[in-house]
Amino acid sequence: QVQLRESGPGLLRPSQTLSLTCTVSGGAITTGGYYWTWIRQHPGKGLEWIGYIYYTGNTHYNPSLKSRATISVDESRNQFSLKLRSVTAADTAVYYCARSLSSSPPLLWGQGTTVTVSS
Amino acid sequence: QSVLTQPPSVSGTPGQRVTISCSGSSSNIGSNYVYWYQQLPGSAPKFFIYRTNQRPSGVPDRFSGSKSGTSASLAISGLRSEDEAVYYCAAWDDSLSGSHVVFGGGTKLTVL
Repeated sequence: QVQLRESGPGLLRPSQTLSLTCTVSGGAITTGGYYWTWIRQHPGKGLEWIGYIYYTGNTHYNPSLKSRATISVDESRNQFSLKLRSVTAADTAVYYCARSLSSSPPLLWGQGTTVTVSS
Repeated sequence: QSVLTQPPSVSGTPGQRVTISCSGSSSNIGSNYVYWYQQLPGSAPKFFIYRTNQRPSGVPDRFSGSKSGTSASLAISGLRSEDEAVYYCAAWDDSLSGSHVVFGGGTKLTVL
């Protein structure tokens, strides 16, 4: 059974770059048809889709975050990653990695990791 | 401000039937599948309905999804205490500014 687990620093200063990794276990990240996704949830608020990547490297981003976000994949480690540049307090959220089908909301979610941006 | 509009809260008594609405537009619900998620406190969302009206294995048939035009609904019959959670709707949005997934703001279901 495929499982996803996020990892990365929990505390950042404003203007730093957020870097998170999602480790996929129980299945290959190169399995065709699946898109590896990042979503975030601001404290006490709703969900925001950040973007996704196919194992070939093709990416698709939320227009509101496209200028700051980069999603990449590492087949050898069965991982995919998120980098978000120039963070502010507004980027404080629980970040989830997930697995999706093409042009679809996610189906399988990781447990989430909390990222706080504070000076 | 979420792209999809849900009521902030709904409530019902055990055994009752409740519905949660999700309103969108022609670029999202009107032309794409709707997904529903259940989120328990401190946990990640878990998908309960996919492709508008399909239930994954393990989700009770008390849960059902439907869509009409640019609105969708999640119906829960035979309400149980363990159904108390926040429910989110989601859909792909073919926006002119760039297609992406959009979510509703979430509906807190309280079982009285």
